Amino acid sequence: DTAVSQTPKYLVTQMGNDKSIKCEQNLGHDTMYWYKQDSKKFLKIMFSYNNKELIINETVPNRFSPKSPDKAHLNLHINSLELGDSAVYFCASSQDNPGTQPQHFGDGTRLSIL
Amino acid sequence: DQQVKQNSPSLSVQEGRISILNCDYTNSMFDYFLWYKKYPAEGPTFLISISSIKDKNEDGRFTVFLNKSAKHLSLHIVPSQPGDSAVYFCAAQHGSSNTGKLIFGQGTTLQVKP
Repeated sequence: DTAVSQTPKYLVTQMGNDKSIKCEQNLGHDTMYWYKQDSKKFLKIMFSYNNKELIINETVPNRFSPKSPDKAHLNLHINSLELGDSAVYFCASSQDNPGTQPQHFGDGTRLSIL
Repeated sequence: DQQVKQNSPSLSVQEGRISILNCDYTNSMFDYFLWYKKYPAEGPTFLISISSIKDKNEDGRFTVFLNKSAKHLSLHIVPSQPGDSAVYFCAAQHGSSNTGKLIFGQGTTLQVKP
């Protein structure tokens, strides 16, 4: 019974396309996050939502747009994909905000841009 | 500007011995630190944490030590087991932040040899 699930696990697409990654958590958590792990293996936060409200928006290009239809879901839509968007994207959730509660991560979505 | 650094990309130890993973940080405002463990093709999973008001936290085979004056923390695993082979990420959180924003190091790959 997966706690934080992301789909798809792999995504291969052409430059310029638009794609979405979905994330769902069944832990009853209030806060959800998107992280990007680049080729150097750094995990960097992109966005965070608390009860459907955006609370973290790092310096991410406008082509990236998170959407939270309810507190159990946080989807990531990416427009006009570029080569540099190739990375592994992780969704996470935590019990509350402030986030001194450990974050629970999904298994990641490996995005490859051709 | 990498505020959390894990300077050893990899570590290899013999089963039964101690594994010591190190992490340095530069921001003195960080007051909560976590270690995550990551297996290939999976998301990071929470291992252990420590607040800046403590200098040690222990959970079974895992102990985290915090040296605030040196801005250094370490994770000790005793005894090491082959199943501990994974990538270990150190993460830190800013005290006044109520967003749950974590700053991650780039990870250390631990190999425990049978």
